[in-house]
Amino acid sequence: DAGITQSPRHKVTETGTPVTLRCHQTENHRYMYWYRQDPGHGLRLIHYSYGVKDTDKGEVSDGYSVSRSKTEDFLLTLESATSSQTSVYFCAISRDSGTDTQYFGPGTRLTVL
Amino acid sequence: GQSLEQPSEVTAVEGAIVQINCTYQTSGFYGLSWYQQHDGGAPTFLSYNALDGLEETGRFSSFLSRSDSYGYLLLQELQMKDSASYFCAVRDRTGGGNKLTFGTGTQLKVEL
Repeated sequence: DAGITQSPRHKVTETGTPVTLRCHQTENHRYMYWYRQDPGHGLRLIHYSYGVKDTDKGEVSDGYSVSRSKTEDFLLTLESATSSQTSVYFCAISRDSGTDTQYFGPGTRLTVL
Repeated sequence: GQSLEQPSEVTAVEGAIVQINCTYQTSGFYGLSWYQQHDGGAPTFLSYNALDGLEETGRFSSFLSRSDSYGYLLLQELQMKDSASYFCAVRDRTGGGNKLTFGTGTQLKVEL
């Protein structure tokens, strides 16, 4: 299994509070991705990174920001959490875009009350 | 933009063969992937097709027709452990080909 961890695995927070989710990899893969998964919507890309300090938006990026200061870490921040951001968040990595194989972390279940 | 369609649910019996279809609309298509996800788990990669034809990996096969914008995942000799959700995903020139767009998933139920 690819070495990907996510923290925290579960979090309950209140509307308006900031939240940061961490994805950590030990594979030295170039690409890292943040998805959210909601019933009826499958996996939707929030942001992705193609290298240290290189990031781009996905299809549902509003309300989220990311940072990647080291190859192994990709942080997802909700500046002011809303109930609509209650979801399961998955981090994924891939060696390069050409192989098209993404390896997913175990997920973080976030509940915003 | 991209769009993918796959059935929401499929039911089959143990030992049978099942086909999960995926049709897509996209610009600058590169390839079609399939991922499996068990309840409460993370998605795991099954297959990738960039060219027309059938790719076989054990009990699973994946097919692509670029001219029809269509692909399918074929699962043979179904086992109870195959009960899961299956997602097709396209890679295209959006974002320089660096990202995938996933379908909404097909929940496969395998019954005795």
